Amino acid sequence: DGGITQSPKYLFRKEGQNVTLSCEQNLNHDAMYWYRQDPGQGLRLIYYSQIVNDFQKGDIAEGYSVSREKKESFPLTVTSAQKNPTAFYLCASSIVLASTYNEQFFGPGTRLTVL
Amino acid sequence: GQQLNQSPQSMFIQEGEDVSMNCTSSSIFNTWLWYKQDPGEGPVLLIALYKAGELTSNGRLTAQFGITRKDSFLNISASIPSDVGIYFCAGQLFQGYSGGGADGLTFGKGTHLIIQP
Repeated sequence: DGGITQSPKYLFRKEGQNVTLSCEQNLNHDAMYWYRQDPGQGLRLIYYSQIVNDFQKGDIAEGYSVSREKKESFPLTVTSAQKNPTAFYLCASSIVLASTYNEQFFGPGTRLTVL
Repeated sequence: GQQLNQSPQSMFIQEGEDVSMNCTSSSIFNTWLWYKQDPGEGPVLLIALYKAGELTSNGRLTAQFGITRKDSFLNISASIPSDVGIYFCAGQLFQGYSGGGADGLTFGKGTHLIIQP
């Protein structure tokens, strides 16, 4: 089946540890995105990538890092510099066309809890 | 960054009632989107609006792109139990591929819809 997978669904880490969240898509999409969602809040953009080996900061990139070595994969690392890392993290992907908005398809999310 | 004000924050309605929610922005968007999110899942796109003044329907859902490009509303007619969830508006200022054609979205804080049978 085609889609976006994020694993694991739930992740627990100790404070001060870096943690990497995985996102894989087999939709052949060029663009991939990471959002963060806090309770009662909308999604906020962390990083996005339009093409392999290139990525851009979103609105809340501080304390996060990404890589895009393969088209299918866009892992997000939550570093110890992120002051409040406990949140629901959502990955999305889309095609890239010049003429219009391209629907972003979301993965099921990873709930990260830092103890 | 850009801010979206979405209201109401939550709605408690009876099954069969119509629902209306809206979003306003401090700046212009050239695409408005409405998503629904079930608990613990990613959002799913309901309706996309591409042109100021556009009115689009998807079954019992109707959404409009405001003339000023700074607002949008979503209506749900004859609500049913499976309509329960959180509804988000989102906007994008698409600037073309050379300007970042795959930019991320700006989301409202959501409207939590609760339906009493």
